[in-house]
Amino acid sequence: DAKTTQPPSMDCAEGRAANLPCNHSTISGNEYVYWYRQIHSQGPQYIIHGLKNNETNEMASLIITEDRKSSTLILPHATLRDTAVYYCIVRAYSGAGSYQLTFGKGTKLSVIP
Amino acid sequence: DAGITQSPRHKVTETGTPVTLRCHQTENHRYMYWYRQDPGHGLRLIHYSYGVKDTDKGEVSDGYSVSRSKTEDFLLTLESATSSQTSVYFCAISGTGGYGYTFGSGTRLTVV
Repeated sequence: DAKTTQPPSMDCAEGRAANLPCNHSTISGNEYVYWYRQIHSQGPQYIIHGLKNNETNEMASLIITEDRKSSTLILPHATLRDTAVYYCIVRAYSGAGSYQLTFGKGTKLSVIP
Repeated sequence: DAGITQSPRHKVTETGTPVTLRCHQTENHRYMYWYRQDPGHGLRLIHYSYGVKDTDKGEVSDGYSVSRSKTEDFLLTLESATSSQTSVYFCAISGTGGYGYTFGSGTRLTVV
């Protein structure tokens, strides 16, 4: 799996957009970018994933650079409940439908009132 | 989380005793996973299953065994618990198509 690099921590003011960067310079053509978050000691929660194109869902937007070597997760209007550790993960589709996601240490996002 | 439950939620056990953790799903998903989470290490894959009776090892499988006799249940067994296995254990499920994992709420295991 391609290695990802994320800043260990970030702050964001409540109501502002939170932009979480991730570098994955060794990503290969069939590898997807996944984002998860973990709030306190709960189980990680799926946020979004993408391959080449930018993606948006009800939780967030994912912007992937044209060369695919980096991506940014955007939470458009951060709330206090978005305080969590955010994980950027790169994983190849195995062809058998299984994604053995490897979690790094992620970015601790603190949303400030 | 809806569709996946772990039991027990908390357990304290003594060194050398066997322990079994259960993961139960109601989503009929093919794939199930066991992770452990420790401070400074993030989540690490222990074992996973890609079907009934089909399992394989993950990154940190030593000291653990698993079984999956039916689609909905994936059991993680510590044959002889050690203090180094004190951790939070998470189960996850995923279906074919890869639209992410759904994680359970975790089991906090303390080996004394």
